[in-house]
Amino acid sequence: DIQMTQSPSSLSASVGDRVTITCRASLVINNYLAWFQQKPGKAPKSLIYAASNLHSGVPSKFSGSGSGTDFTLTISNLQPEDSATYYCQQYNSYPLTFGGGTTVEI
Amino acid sequence: QVQLMQSGGEVKRPGASVRVSCKASGYSFTNYGITWVRQAPGEGFEWMGWISPYTTNTNYAQSVQGRLTLTTDRSTTTAYLELRSLRSDDTATYFCARESPQDGATHWGQGTLVTVSS
Repeated sequence: DIQMTQSPSSLSASVGDRVTITCRASLVINNYLAWFQQKPGKAPKSLIYAASNLHSGVPSKFSGSGSGTDFTLTISNLQPEDSATYYCQQYNSYPLTFGGGTTVEI
Repeated sequence: QVQLMQSGGEVKRPGASVRVSCKASGYSFTNYGITWVRQAPGEGFEWMGWISPYTTNTNYAQSVQGRLTLTTDRSTTTAYLELRSLRSDDTATYFCARESPQDGATHWGQGTLVTVSS
């Protein structure tokens, strides 16, 4: 199975800040990397697919980059509504696997 | 708009079975796969399996192989998850998601809490 390692596990930032979350795969995943946002008690929301493509309706303050095994999610101009846990997931091969999550506190 | 509507929460005894439904609307049901993941309380995500409503092909996680069956009903555009021989560590919120090979999971159901307790 492909292991996904996310860091940091949590971070605290201020309104207006820019933060970066990293995700490392144990094998090359051909950019089949997704990012999700989850708020407490809610379903995940898909933010990014194929490492750097925003899903429809996702604000451009979210951006993804990376290739091979190393990927990043950047959130610009942090706002209180961005408080959530963010997960990466590889969908290159079964079983699909997730990172452990990064909790962002504003 | 694309919607995935899941059935309500369930409480089951150890050893019982549970069936969770996921009603899809707003898109062509057979054009996308349905993936199922679960999230134990306070934990991360565990992928459980995937089904193609077009071919009925499935792929299951090894951790639930033999206890899990995924099916779909094209006439009602509904996907089903059945998990048997429930254990306490199956207690989790179960999510369905619409998935494509290129885009991954794009839309999610609201989740179904399954509690296994004696």
